[in-house]
Amino acid sequence: DAKTTQPTSMDCAEGRAANLPCNHSTISGNEYVYWYRQIHSQGPQYIIHGLKNNETNEMASLIITEDRKSSTLILPHATLRDTAVYYCIVRVKYSGAGSYQLTFGKGTKLSVIP
Amino acid sequence: KAGVTQTPRYLIKTRGQQVTLSCSPISGHRSVSWYQQTPGQGLQFLFEYFSETQRNKGNFPGRFSGRQFSNSRSEMNVSTLELGDSALYLCASSVRGGASYEQYFGPGTRLTVT
Repeated sequence: DAKTTQPTSMDCAEGRAANLPCNHSTISGNEYVYWYRQIHSQGPQYIIHGLKNNETNEMASLIITEDRKSSTLILPHATLRDTAVYYCIVRVKYSGAGSYQLTFGKGTKLSVIP
Repeated sequence: KAGVTQTPRYLIKTRGQQVTLSCSPISGHRSVSWYQQTPGQGLQFLFEYFSETQRNKGNFPGRFSGRQFSNSRSEMNVSTLELGDSALYLCASSVRGGASYEQYFGPGTRLTVT
């Protein structure tokens, strides 16, 4: 799986959009970008994933650059409950009999400030 | 639909003892993965089970083992506990082979080895 680079920490004012960047310059053509978050002492929570097109769901939007070497997770109106560590993971979507494991980096600690 | 459940939530053991942790996946999910999370190493993949068979294994010693039952429930066992085994143990379930690849995590079992 491709390696990702994320800032160690970020702050965001409550009510503003939180934009979390991720670099994945060695991504392969069949690798997807997944985002998970982990609120303190809880299990990670799936947020969104995408291949090349921008994606949006009820939680967030995912913007992937045209060359797919970087992406941005957008939380449109951050609340205090969005304070968490956000993980960007790049991997093949379905590898048949192969590995389903997720390789977590250190992620970005997002602090939403009142 | 009920989420992933893990029991017990907290556990204190002594060095040299063994421990068994339990995970019940989301109904209909047949894949169960286990992860260990420590402050120093972050989230690390332990192993994955599907249809009662271990499909993948992370880089952990043989003291860490697991199994899966016909109802997809899974257990992991750690024998001869060491202080370094103190961690949050997370279980995740997914629909292996499904159209998407979200893994759904449980709340974890926090193991303290004294």
